[in-house]
Amino acid sequence: ETGVTQTPRHLVMGMTNKKSLKCEQHLGHNAMYWYKQSAKKPLELMFVYNFKEQTENNSVPSRFSPECPNSSHLFLHLHTLQPEDSALYLCASSQGGQGGEKLFFGSGTQLSVL
Amino acid sequence: GQNIDQPTEMTATEGAIVQINCTYQTSGFNGLFWYQQHAGEAPTFLSYNVLDGLEEKGRFSSFLSRSKGYSYLLLKELQMKDSASYLCAVMDSNYQLIWGAGTKLIIKP
Repeated sequence: ETGVTQTPRHLVMGMTNKKSLKCEQHLGHNAMYWYKQSAKKPLELMFVYNFKEQTENNSVPSRFSPECPNSSHLFLHLHTLQPEDSALYLCASSQGGQGGEKLFFGSGTQLSVL
Repeated sequence: GQNIDQPTEMTATEGAIVQINCTYQTSGFNGLFWYQQHAGEAPTFLSYNVLDGLEEKGRFSSFLSRSKGYSYLLLKELQMKDSASYLCAVMDSNYQLIWGAGTKLIIKP
């Protein structure tokens, strides 16, 4: 148990669907992240929130839309996805505001886009 | 460009020792991390090296040579539960994490 919980664990959606991924951390951290993990590829950073403010958006297509209502919750809203978006989506948190921090990851949502 | 290289897959025997190498080329250096990820689970932090040398933590040790752009993770007295992927990540001068693709370690009885 890492203190970071993601739901759902698995998601299958069609290209016209709209769905949301949820992440919650119980660690009192101030920074939260969305990563994409594809088989045999490095983790790709998608979005970073620090103290509820988005500080990074790594050229992610607009069909992915993050939301951070407070320091404990992070959402990733999905719409009109493509098959190549199928991957494991990992949420992580860290203390916040400092470099060299270790990340605490959730178990991820395995997404399949049909 | 920035990149991290680590072997895709390694196999070792229960009770033995295995060394997983990681070489990096990054814009600056602010530390190197190792994470362990069991299949279907969250990556979990193993170690952080920012100075040259060996850091030992139980059965696991991590080594760093900044001049060579090189690190390794050493696992001793291997157990079946050590079967997992091991991710190497370097923090660059902008405090961005650059990740390797991970090494899948298979432990055989």
